[in-house]
Amino acid sequence: AQKVTQAQTEISVVEKEDVTLDCVYETRDTTYYLFWYKQPPSGELVFLIRRNSFDEQNEISGRYSWNFQKSTSSFNFTITASQVVDSAVYFCALGGNYGQNFVFGPGTRLSVLP
Amino acid sequence: DAGVTQSPTHLIKTRGQQVTLRCSPKSGHDTVSWYQQALGQGPQFIFQYYEEEERQRGNFPDRFSGHQFPNYSSELNVNALLLGDSALYLCASSLGLAALTGELFFGEGSRLTVL
Repeated sequence: AQKVTQAQTEISVVEKEDVTLDCVYETRDTTYYLFWYKQPPSGELVFLIRRNSFDEQNEISGRYSWNFQKSTSSFNFTITASQVVDSAVYFCALGGNYGQNFVFGPGTRLSVLP
Repeated sequence: DAGVTQSPTHLIKTRGQQVTLRCSPKSGHDTVSWYQQALGQGPQFIFQYYEEEERQRGNFPDRFSGHQFPNYSSELNVNALLLGDSALYLCASSLGLAALTGELFFGEGSRLTVL
């Protein structure tokens, strides 16, 4: 069965600090997709990134970066120079090749203090 | 360009009642998925609709049913409500059946409270 673990329930940082959100996944599929979503207080989930299992190249988008390591089944998310607007719950998610068994992790609540 | 819209935003029901939640997908999208998000937890996949048929289903009882209309909008129905059905119900839209491997666009959800 697919499973996503986000061991950090809550993280608090001061503005401008860097923060890394951990994600560990379990799957028996050889082809799968990993995602990160942001959920601000409004409730709407906002797509941040998708990565397929064959692409282990790390990605950077502005202050956001993602580190995918298949050997450790991890897909960690780093925010550089955090801002108050980054405060939200962040979810890591995993889906099979045809979208089956799509599961979200329990989420990490990030609070960025001014 | 309208995003995903859901209604109602909030509602309160009592045990045993039935509820219908509605979702209009983002313009141009033809696939709708529903998720249940209990307080403090990640969303759980309920089911997905494409071409007016249920295509995939998560681990939810038959009390949870849905429908997709020709204009791609969708309804989620929950019968015989239980206290444990209290949650935020999220609708997500996307393009095509392989949608769950792509980018999902979510609405702001319908918060259901069962008393």
